[in-house]
Amino acid sequence: DTGVSQDPRHKITKRGQNVTFRCDPISEHNRLYWYRQTLGQGPEFLTYFQNEAQLEKSRLLSDRFSAERPKGSFSTLEIQRTEQGDSAMYLCASSQDTEGPIYGYTFGSGTRLTVV
Amino acid sequence: GQNIDQPTEMTATEGAIVQINCTYQTSGFNGLFWYQQHAGEAPTFLSYNVLDGLEEKGRFSSFLSRSKGYSYLLLKELQMKDSASYLCAVRDTNDMRFGAGTRLTVKP
Repeated sequence: DTGVSQDPRHKITKRGQNVTFRCDPISEHNRLYWYRQTLGQGPEFLTYFQNEAQLEKSRLLSDRFSAERPKGSFSTLEIQRTEQGDSAMYLCASSQDTEGPIYGYTFGSGTRLTVV
Repeated sequence: GQNIDQPTEMTATEGAIVQINCTYQTSGFNGLFWYQQHAGEAPTFLSYNVLDGLEEKGRFSSFLSRSKGYSYLLLKELQMKDSASYLCAVRDTNDMRFGAGTRLTVKP
């Protein structure tokens, strides 16, 4: 297993277009998280999945954002009608949560979105 | 909700010791994490505290006081490659929230 993979690494899109990002977590991890990070800030929580169930969504996740994890493996994050304010690094992370110690997350390298 | 505060920037000299503080307020607590993030890269896990006290891991140590809502990350024998942002993060029941990060610059 090569860790958490995100695709694409970079995306430039025109305002108003739709974009979709993909995240492949570490295979044995049952939890998957999406974060957004802008320059000089820490990652901001967007949403997370336990297996295929989306258990929590941040207020940051407007109606233009949707995330799926259809088979409890990879996940997609779609942004519709992109705005310049959506320009950020989108980070995916995964973790394995079981009874017992709580572990940190493993992050992917992120998708940098630029809306022009 | 959660508030996580840490200094914005710090500067230290190669070979020295630096302490990065973090204070937090959270409705639930399941651990405090420190991550390192180099510019343009993803955060990487450094340390984890869930009980009060000091956890040591090589040149890096992390301390937690749950009653005070306080943690620090201690970096010893600083190297130039330690120049990065250091993120304090608190895990509640379901997910992890991050502070804005402390940008550390190590000078020769």
